[in-house]
Amino acid sequence: DAKTTQPNSMESNEEEPVHLPCNHSTISGTDYIHWYRQLPSQGPEYVIHGLTSNVNNRMASLAIAEDRKSSTLILHRATLRDAAVYYCILRPTGANSKLTFGKGITLSVRP
Amino acid sequence: GEEVAQTPKHLVRGEGQKAKLYCAPIKGHSYVFWYQQVLKNEFKFLISFQNENVFDETGMPKERFSAKCLPNSPCSLEIQATKLEDSAVYFCASSHTGTGKGSNQPQHFGDGTRLSIL
Repeated sequence: DAKTTQPNSMESNEEEPVHLPCNHSTISGTDYIHWYRQLPSQGPEYVIHGLTSNVNNRMASLAIAEDRKSSTLILHRATLRDAAVYYCILRPTGANSKLTFGKGITLSVRP
Repeated sequence: GEEVAQTPKHLVRGEGQKAKLYCAPIKGHSYVFWYQQVLKNEFKFLISFQNENVFDETGMPKERFSAKCLPNSPCSLEIQATKLEDSAVYFCASSHTGTGKGSNQPQHFGDGTRLSIL
């Protein structure tokens, strides 16, 4: 499975935008870029995914580089509830493909 | 239901005993996945099902781990002769069948079962 590289941690201030980077230089043409997050004592939660174009949903935006070798998850206004571990995952196409989690990035949000 | 339900929340077993974990996927979801989280950020995929059929079991330690998804019953993950290293949080996830080739449906996770082997 293709690998992703994320910083270990990031801090942000409440109500400010957060940009979480992810590098995936070995991505293949059929890999989707998925983001999940895990809040303390909970299971992972789907955030967003995309293939080539930038994507927006109610939780976040996903900006994908033109060469698809990197992407950025954007939280437009961080809240304390957004403090979590965020995982950038490359997922081969297909509804039943497993998720291969890396170590993720721990986001801390300061009040 | 609208959420993946995992039971029990916590399970304590002595080394060598059997442990059985349950997962009720979201109604209408055809796919079920099991993952093991040993250390804080480290997940390991165990097995996946399409309805009651095993789809991918490449992550399963075959000697002691087994899993089933039978019709009209919660899915289960069973560990025989547990070892200290089996202590972990076990997550179940389910996903919907996508439409069209290449669909990539999100996985919906339960809150996990924390298994402690003493």
